[in-house]
Amino acid sequence: SQQGEEDPQALSIQEGENATMNCSYKTSINNLQWYRQNSGRGLVHLILIRSNEREKHSGRLRVTLDTSKKSSSLLITASRAADTASYFCATGRMDSSYKLIFGSGTRLLVRP
Amino acid sequence: SAVISQKPSRDICQRGTSLTIQCQVDSQVTMMFWYRQQPGQSLTLIATANQGSEATYESGFVIDKFPISRPNLTFSTLTVSNMSPEDSSIYLCSVPGRVRDNEQFFGPGTRLTVL
Repeated sequence: SQQGEEDPQALSIQEGENATMNCSYKTSINNLQWYRQNSGRGLVHLILIRSNEREKHSGRLRVTLDTSKKSSSLLITASRAADTASYFCATGRMDSSYKLIFGSGTRLLVRP
Repeated sequence: SAVISQKPSRDICQRGTSLTIQCQVDSQVTMMFWYRQQPGQSLTLIATANQGSEATYESGFVIDKFPISRPNLTFSTLTVSNMSPEDSSIYLCSVPGRVRDNEQFFGPGTRLTVL
């Protein structure tokens, strides 16, 4: 079953602007991950934040995690047309099953 | 990171037929995962395929409908049996990355359309 809800469902911005996507989840987690999917193809892992971390950066990506609110956000700064994709959060369980539960996703359109 | 390929990349099938999707990894892995992504939706885990044992299916998915084979540590197949239009989806396989975390590497997906 889907654990995460993401908002917005769709986001359209101008190139150069920042894009923020939010993810909420329901159960205790070991970590939270963000993935990108281009045009219905395979997913690409972007960044992982562990449950004991609050913020993480990777290039133009900034992820925050608030375990008390069971929420996370992904910020893409200085967006580019190539950032156009669907973005999914996924939560890793506390056990060793390696299973991921994916959020509903945000479709990002970056207009040139 | 692992490099994963899937065959076929897409297919159009008739109702009532079956399709077998192949997933090949460039390294040996204990676990492989199969996901379904229905049109415009997120990913749902179908099953975990372990080499040398039966696949473990998630709630709502059964072996008769989605039989899985895992003959060795680099290969797995998922069969979508007795297809109906509701099975039209993208099917993706994935493998775990680092031991400590459960990031996953995904194949490019198989886009299935059932008429």
